[in-house]
Amino acid sequence: EVHLVESGGGLVKPGGSLTLSCAASGFTFSTYSMNWVRQAPGKGLEWVSSISSSSSYIYYADSAKGRFTISRDNAKNSLYLRMNSLRAEDTAVYYCTSSGSYGRGYFDYWGQGTLVTVSS
Amino acid sequence: EIVLTQSPATLSLSPGERATLSCRASQSVSSYLAWYQKKPGQAPRLLIYDASDRATGIPARFSGSGSGTDFTLTISSLEPEDFAVYYCQQRSNWPKTFGQGTKLEIK
Repeated sequence: EVHLVESGGGLVKPGGSLTLSCAASGFTFSTYSMNWVRQAPGKGLEWVSSISSSSSYIYYADSAKGRFTISRDNAKNSLYLRMNSLRAEDTAVYYCTSSGSYGRGYFDYWGQGTLVTVSS
Repeated sequence: EIVLTQSPATLSLSPGERATLSCRASQSVSSYLAWYQKKPGQAPRLLIYDASDRATGIPARFSGSGSGTDFTLTISSLEPEDFAVYYCQQRSNWPKTFGQGTKLEIK
């Protein structure tokens, strides 16, 4: 059974930094692209960033470009999101998702999410 | 950026009724469209991919149709557990984008 478990969320001041982690199990992590998708309170889903299986291709939403860095460690079955210069509008539940079971670009498995709150 | 517009924003129906949700893209996404179900406090769940293919374990009452710019998610006979928010998402172009969601509520 596929499990994606996020950690690292919490309360951070505007301008601060945070690193989210996602531990994956139950599938061959090294063959899947991985993603971060977020949902701000009362809002819809927003794609944040994607990384290919070998880290060769990385993409960011405009809202994340220049501030967030996605990375992965296939030896540890782990995905990361380093978030710098955080803003109030980054407050959201951040979901770790996989892509590959049904074609690239769909989000087939999801973690339960980790809440990031940016507030002074 | 491809904008996905979902309608209606809210759909009020009773269990046993048929639900029809719409998603319109600002430009063609071919058949590269998915549908997700989101319940409060739960992770989203992939229902439909490539416009009309059901993901593993998704009941047959869920079906998708469409291509190009107009897509439909149909739930043939609503079960109590189907009341949730539904999102469409395109994978045709970067950035991957979602619609704003349709809330399916109990009438």
